[in-house]
Amino acid sequence: DGGITQSPKYLFRKEGQNVTLSCEQNLNHDAMYWYRQDPGQGLRLIYYSQIVNDFQKGDIAEGYSVSREKKESFPLTVTSAQKNPTAFYLCASSSVAANYGYTFGSGTRLTVV
Amino acid sequence: GQQLNQSPQSMFIQEGEDVSMNCTSSSIFNTWLWYKQEPGEGPVLLIALYKAGELTSNGRLTAQFGITRKDSFLNISASIPSDVGIYFCAGLRGGGADGLTFGKGTHLIIQP
Repeated sequence: DGGITQSPKYLFRKEGQNVTLSCEQNLNHDAMYWYRQDPGQGLRLIYYSQIVNDFQKGDIAEGYSVSREKKESFPLTVTSAQKNPTAFYLCASSSVAANYGYTFGSGTRLTVV
Repeated sequence: GQQLNQSPQSMFIQEGEDVSMNCTSSSIFNTWLWYKQEPGEGPVLLIALYKAGELTSNGRLTAQFGITRKDSFLNISASIPSDVGIYFCAGLRGGGADGLTFGKGTHLIIQP
């Protein structure tokens, strides 16, 4: 079955460390997105990529970095520059064929310890 | 990006009651989507609306794309405990490649 997979489900980070969240999709979708979710804040866009080797900053890109070397993969790195990284991170993908409706992964909960 | 104005922020209802929530915007959208998110999971698409005035049902759920293209509502009839979750509206402008604009969500809590 086609889908979008995020890993790990739970991640703990020490102060000053970089961590990378994985997102893989086998839906053949062109576009991929990373969102951050905090209680009462809804979904805030971090980065998005419409094609391989290209990506754009979203509304809250500071302290994050991404790469898009393959169509199927869009990893997100939370760097030490992100001062408040504890949150639930959601990856999504979409395509013209899907009328741009998003398919979401099941999320990664990142906690700073 | 701009977020949609979604209301209410939360709802506490009795099992069996009907539920109504809506989203409004000052901008026009070409597509409206409604998602449900359960705790610790990603949102799942419930209903997609592609034409102004369109009314679409999915079981006990009914959603409408406003005539002005600046609003949408979602109704849930005869609520049951598994309806608990956060419901998000999302809108798509233009060609869609820049992604969806989301509301902040309506948190639905059902008391048995």
